[in-house]
Amino acid sequence: DAGITQSPRYKITETGRQVTLMCHQTWSHSYMFWYRQDLGHGLRLIYYSAAADITDKGEVPDGYVVSRSKTENFPLTLESATRSQTSVYFCASSENAGQPQHFGDGTRLSIL
Amino acid sequence: AQKVTQAQTEISVVEKEDVTLDCVYETRDTTYYLFWYKQPPSGELVFLIRRNSFDEQNEISGRYSWNFQKSTSSFNFTITASQVVDSAVYFCALRSQGAQKLVFGQGTRLTINP
Repeated sequence: DAGITQSPRYKITETGRQVTLMCHQTWSHSYMFWYRQDLGHGLRLIYYSAAADITDKGEVPDGYVVSRSKTENFPLTLESATRSQTSVYFCASSENAGQPQHFGDGTRLSIL
Repeated sequence: AQKVTQAQTEISVVEKEDVTLDCVYETRDTTYYLFWYKQPPSGELVFLIRRNSFDEQNEISGRYSWNFQKSTSSFNFTITASQVVDSAVYFCALRSQGAQKLVFGQGTRLTINP
């Protein structure tokens, strides 16, 4: 089915480890986004991408790395995970600024 | 600067009551888009509606209706004859033309009691 999928749905890891969250969309949307959702902070933008090989920082980019070698994939990497990065991560895509962003089901990440 | 305020943190009503969720936004841009999303207990974010800044027509979709008023910078969401399945966190969001960022309000947790 067409849509946007995130993997894994749940992940537990330890501080200092590298972890990559995957995001894949089948709509060929130009724009892709990564958000984190935390109690008291709502949804905050980490990184976004306007097209393949074009990425830019959002509100809270520190500690994260993204890449977009293909239009359909937008992985998010925590290079050295910290407890403060425990959160629910959402990937989203949209055709352009005026169109709604469609979200994946989220990845619940726990850093011990 | 862009900002979205959902002043109601939590609302609890009895089934079949009507309920309105408030959303007030701030932006200096003349072209922008407003959205509502629903996040049920299962956690996914579901798109409900989009409005652009040039279209102030109210919209009704079944039991849902939206009232967009530029004069008061508000984009309120009303559920008529609420049902238990409407229980969720609802987010209002703003995105300006040319801006990549979708600015979310803090969300309103709506609980519909049987």
